[in-house]
Amino acid sequence: AQSVTQPDIHITVSEGASLELRCNYSYGATPYLFWYVQSPGQGLQLLLKYFSGDTLVQGIKGFEAEFKRSQSSFNLRKPSVHWSDAAEYFCAVGDSSSASKIIFGSGTRLSIRP
Amino acid sequence: ETGVTQTPRHLVMGMTNKKSLKCEQHLGHNAMYWYKQSAKKPLELMFVYNFKEQTENNSVPSRFSPECPNSSHLFLHLHTLQPEDSALYLCASSQGGGENYEQYFGPGTRLTVT
Repeated sequence: AQSVTQPDIHITVSEGASLELRCNYSYGATPYLFWYVQSPGQGLQLLLKYFSGDTLVQGIKGFEAEFKRSQSSFNLRKPSVHWSDAAEYFCAVGDSSSASKIIFGSGTRLSIRP
Repeated sequence: ETGVTQTPRHLVMGMTNKKSLKCEQHLGHNAMYWYKQSAKKPLELMFVYNFKEQTENNSVPSRFSPECPNSSHLFLHLHTLQPEDSALYLCASSQGGGENYEQYFGPGTRLTVT
């Protein structure tokens, strides 16, 4: 069965610093991969997705993620964070056995230091 | 604004009450979902509907009863809930399989069971 691991529960970075959030997945074939962001009291918003093709994916709000099959990873990056990036970030993998099902990681909470 | 609305945004109910959560999507999608998000726990998929038919029930207690009258509307009927059912309930929709695979989330209903 598929699974997603986000090893970091909470990360704090300084405003203007670079960011990398880790995501590892377990999946037998080529996965569908997603990153979502959730601001306090809000639903989840899709940042970016990977289905196939170029392994470096650009998303909204200046985020990007790189799919590395050899490492079973899909890490999220941003070169310079803003205070408004403080939120919870979720990595997710699609379940090919069910066209509608996505499995979410437990999330990484990002805090921004002024 | 993701095109998925949920009402009410906040709900406090006693253990003997009956209430309903409503979700509406304006995206023309075919699939709709209910998730439960509790503090310090991963997002839990509860129900999936595809073209109004329930395709997934993740062992959800019968005190939660979903209803999908059409592809745009989804309800979650609640009765005799327990305090541990207090959580953020998120609705989502998606086009289905293939490239249009990502899920769009509503803002959620914060439910408190007293």
